[in-house]
Amino acid sequence: DTEVTQTPKHLVMGMTNKKSLKCEQHMGHRAMYWYKQKAKKPPELMFVYSYEKLSINESVPSRFSPECPNSSLLNLHLHALQPEDSALYLCASSPTPQGAWGGYTFGSGTRLTVV
Amino acid sequence: TQLLEQSPQFLSIQEGENLTVYCNSSSVFSSLQWYRQEPGEGPVLLVTVVTGGEVKKLKRLTFQFGDARKDSSLHITAAQPGDTGLYLCAVAGGTSYGKLTFGQGTILTVHP
Repeated sequence: DTEVTQTPKHLVMGMTNKKSLKCEQHMGHRAMYWYKQKAKKPPELMFVYSYEKLSINESVPSRFSPECPNSSLLNLHLHALQPEDSALYLCASSPTPQGAWGGYTFGSGTRLTVV
Repeated sequence: TQLLEQSPQFLSIQEGENLTVYCNSSSVFSSLQWYRQEPGEGPVLLVTVVTGGEVKKLKRLTFQFGDARKDSSLHITAAQPGDTGLYLCAVAGGTSYGKLTFGQGTILTVHP
């Protein structure tokens, strides 16, 4: 299995809703990432999990809450989002954080629309 | 100042034409990656270049890493509509293990 699977593919939520994005990989990778991408722009790093521990938080607002239940799963919990948070949310993994030099495997993303 | 300066930002060409995308920096890197992203999908890793002066080929795509490991280029020969997408160069690490930093991207459109 050489994939990163993200669900759901599309999500529309109101500003008072609580929702979660899910990411799963079975490649034995020990580093997992959340990125945010606006249209026609490069991805921007949000969080890095290294061996199931949060190692980088790029000053992301607390309305985004990551969770890594085990080495295969990564969640992003969403609460009280703003319309400007609408974007493509990408999950990625690499064998180790140090192994990121060799490249990431990205999921297909969740297209989030906040109304 | 961007760590990686990617150019051009937009490229619109006819099928069969050749093109080159550039990724430049004032910093030296141990490696550099190229990704292609199609609309509605995540980026897909095309290649990682590691050695200064290295040239890698992937069918009609040729990737080069500068001798000083500060720059890279992607050349596509005889572009096809299926090459349409966002092309991204990226570098990893520094003191932030795991972090990938991307160039601004090149949006390529190949018209039939």
